[in-house]
Amino acid sequence: DAKTTQPPSMDCAEGRAANLPCNHSTISGNEYVYWYRQIHSQGPQYIIHGLKNNETNEMASLIITEDRKSSTLILPHATLRDTAVYYCIVRVGERMNTGNQFYFGTGTSLTVIP
Amino acid sequence: NAGVTQTPKFRILKIGQSMTLQCTQDMNHNYMYWYRQDPGMGLKLIYYSVGAGITDKGEVPNGYNVSRSTTEDFPLRLELAAPSQTSVYFCASSYSTHTGELFFGEGSRLTVL
Repeated sequence: DAKTTQPPSMDCAEGRAANLPCNHSTISGNEYVYWYRQIHSQGPQYIIHGLKNNETNEMASLIITEDRKSSTLILPHATLRDTAVYYCIVRVGERMNTGNQFYFGTGTSLTVIP
Repeated sequence: NAGVTQTPKFRILKIGQSMTLQCTQDMNHNYMYWYRQDPGMGLKLIYYSVGAGITDKGEVPNGYNVSRSTTEDFPLRLELAAPSQTSVYFCASSYSTHTGELFFGEGSRLTVL
């Protein structure tokens, strides 16, 4: 699975959009981009994933560049509850024999400031 | 649905002791995983299972054992505990490999002294 690079920390003002970047320059054509977040000491929580098209759900939007070498997770209106560590992971989607072996790096620690 | 339930939430062990971390899920997920997270670090995969009776090693399996006799349960056994095993342990499950959504438990914080 491709490695990812994320900034170690970011701040965002409450109510503003939080844009979290991720570089994955060695991504392969069949690898998906996944985002999870971990609030304080809780278990990670799935946010969104995509292959090459931009994706949006009730939590966030995922923008993937045309060459797929980088992506951005967007939290449109950040709240204090969005303060967490955000993990960007790339991996092959279909792995019936091995399940979802996600390899988590150290992520980006997002602090939403009042 | 309770989701993924882990017990105990906290435990202190002495060096050389053994224990089992319990994990159960009520979502009928085929896939289950154990991760550990050291302070300030990301999660590392210890073991995983793609179904009852099938388990395999992840990144950091040494010092641990698992079994999967039922779909619901995936216990993690620590043999001869060492200070290096002080960590927070997370169990997770998933239904589909394609959607990528892992459901995590609340974690078990283990300290080995």
